[in-house]
Amino acid sequence: SQQGEEDPQALSIQEGENATMNCSYKTSINNLQWYRQNSGRGLVHLILIRSNEREKHSGRLRVTLDTSKKSSSLLITASRAADTASYFCATGGAQKLVFGQGTRLTINP
Amino acid sequence: NAGVTQTPKFRVLKTGQSMTLLCAQDMNHEYMYWYRQDPGMGLRLIHYSVGEGTTAKGEVPDGYNVSRLKKQNFLLGLESAAPSQTSVYFCASWDGEKLFFGSGTQLSVL
Repeated sequence: SQQGEEDPQALSIQEGENATMNCSYKTSINNLQWYRQNSGRGLVHLILIRSNEREKHSGRLRVTLDTSKKSSSLLITASRAADTASYFCATGGAQKLVFGQGTRLTINP
Repeated sequence: NAGVTQTPKFRVLKTGQSMTLLCAQDMNHEYMYWYRQDPGMGLRLIHYSVGEGTTAKGEVPDGYNVSRLKKQNFLLGLESAAPSQTSVYFCASWDGEKLFFGSGTQLSVL
């Protein structure tokens, strides 16, 4: 069973625009993570936000967490062609990190 | 550091054949994992290990076996491959906070 579910499943925007994708989860969490997967490659960790944090930034990435709504969002600002990838949220601990099905982001030149 | 290395990258099997996927990590991580990724299904955990000599079942363990004889290696075996095992397989290791993934093995079972 999937703990996190991303929305939308696919997103296509113009280069330079901002991209927002959302993740909803079902049970209480200690932290939530976002990963990126380029086509044909493994997942790469982007950012982790803890349950006592509401917002976190890393470069052009901004993650928010609303534990009352059991949801998180990932914002990529000033998108670039290299941001084209699938993005996954993940919740859980060391013995069971569960991934959502991902949002496929396409950046058009 | 090479990180997490998977071999082979591609493999085609006939139904009933067996094979072993090898995962190696050079980061001295205790925890290692095998996932499979299928279209529309996301990543699903097959088996994992919390240290040398230990293994545990994940979400979809049937048809697979694993071994962790050395801390740096985690092997995934298919004893009798089935078409339903056609997938992309990813190995990962855990540093206590986040996962590090290999580049994947694309397996086709005909």
